[in-house]
Amino acid sequence: QQQVKQSPQSLIVQKGGISIINCAYENTAFDYFPWYQQFPGKGPALLIAIRPDVSEKKEGRFTISFNKSAKQFSLHIMDSQPGDSATYFCAASISGTGANNLFFGTGTRLTVIP
Amino acid sequence: EADIYQTPRYLVIGTGKKITLECSQTMGHDKMYWYQQDPGMELHLIHYSYGVNSTEKGDLSSESTVSRIRTEHFPLTLESARPSHTSQYLCASSGSGTGEEEQYFGPGTRLTVT
Repeated sequence: QQQVKQSPQSLIVQKGGISIINCAYENTAFDYFPWYQQFPGKGPALLIAIRPDVSEKKEGRFTISFNKSAKQFSLHIMDSQPGDSATYFCAASISGTGANNLFFGTGTRLTVIP
Repeated sequence: EADIYQTPRYLVIGTGKKITLECSQTMGHDKMYWYQQDPGMELHLIHYSYGVNSTEKGDLSSESTVSRIRTEHFPLTLESARPSHTSQYLCASSGSGTGEEEQYFGPGTRLTVT
């Protein structure tokens, strides 16, 4: 059973454009929503994360939008650059459960064309 | 940059062999994790550990076993490798207190069983 659903599977964006990746979840107990960035041959690295008490969080060109009532959250990459080409994973977890196990989406392969 | 190491990075081995994938972290994190990731797919948690002498199975059933004798070391063992075990294995760790949800990933071990 997929705990976190992610779309699209792949995305091609022109340099300078906006990349948008969407995720949805069912478990209302989730209270931590990170986005991870993975380059080929590397492990995932935390990009940005949000908690449900805010609707938006921005760090540089990266913004998470969170809609608690719709149980959806999305990653927006402004002014996309070729160096942003990577696979992006959304995830969710429940704090205070000891292991803080993350449930990952299926990933979005982003390609930014120069 | 996270200090979490995995060896070997790549391994090609024949069916029936016993293998151990190594994972070490120098951050003093009490929690450690093993994920299995197939190409273009999400990460599936196969094992996790709260601390020394604590190990639990994750969401994805796996024939592998793990041990946690030292805080910094979390090896994964396959007693008899099979082609179905071909995958990428990612190790991660997380700490306690503020930021405890953030998991730091190693570079992964790409295993091929022939």
